[in-house]
Amino acid sequence: GENVEQHPSTLSVQEGDSAVIKCTYSDSASNYFPWYKQELGKRPQLIIDIRSNVGEKKDQRIAVTLNKTAKHFSLHITETQPEDSAVYFCAASDAGTYKYIFGTGTRLKVLA
Amino acid sequence: GAGVSQSPSNKVTEKGKDVELRCDPISGHTALYWYRQSLGQGLEFLIYFQGNSAPDKSGLPSDRFSAERTGGSVSTLTIQRTQQEDSAVYLCASSQPGGTEKLFFGSGTQLSVL
Repeated sequence: GENVEQHPSTLSVQEGDSAVIKCTYSDSASNYFPWYKQELGKRPQLIIDIRSNVGEKKDQRIAVTLNKTAKHFSLHITETQPEDSAVYFCAASDAGTYKYIFGTGTRLKVLA
Repeated sequence: GAGVSQSPSNKVTEKGKDVELRCDPISGHTALYWYRQSLGQGLEFLIYFQGNSAPDKSGLPSDRFSAERTGGSVSTLTIQRTQQEDSAVYLCASSQPGGTEKLFFGSGTQLSVL
């Protein structure tokens, strides 16, 4: 089955700097890669996603890149702000199994 | 409905007791997922329901865990003979079908087994 690895487990950056979180997946059939943000004590919420027919997608300060050949994808946050502090989860899914497998999460701290 | 609803929000039980956790998905969402989140850990897949298809139970950690979904809507996750290692937040999520759709999560049930 699918296995998703996520690095780093924790990340601290100064406010205004960029943050990058990387994930790798094992199943070449996976074709959908969402990212979820979970603030302390709250439920995970989708922040951005990418499908396998696209290499990059951007939404304001966040972007996701996908390398299908290497089977890895990354989340990029630019101009980080304190409210970006949260746990971020990547996930992979394929249209056949409909099963979303999540990475282990990255705790991002933005230092003011 | 406003979103995915889970109950109870907190459950404290004694080791060996059975517990039932409930999830009420967004109306019209045919896909329903259960995940487990241990303290400071990731989202562990447990089970997936899609419409009238047989559920994908591949993530259930032992035969003490079971889940059902009645009428394609409300789902119940049952843990029999609870153990301390079952302590975690149990999250339910629902979505439109297809495997490439946004998951809407409930606020979870915090289960504590003493």
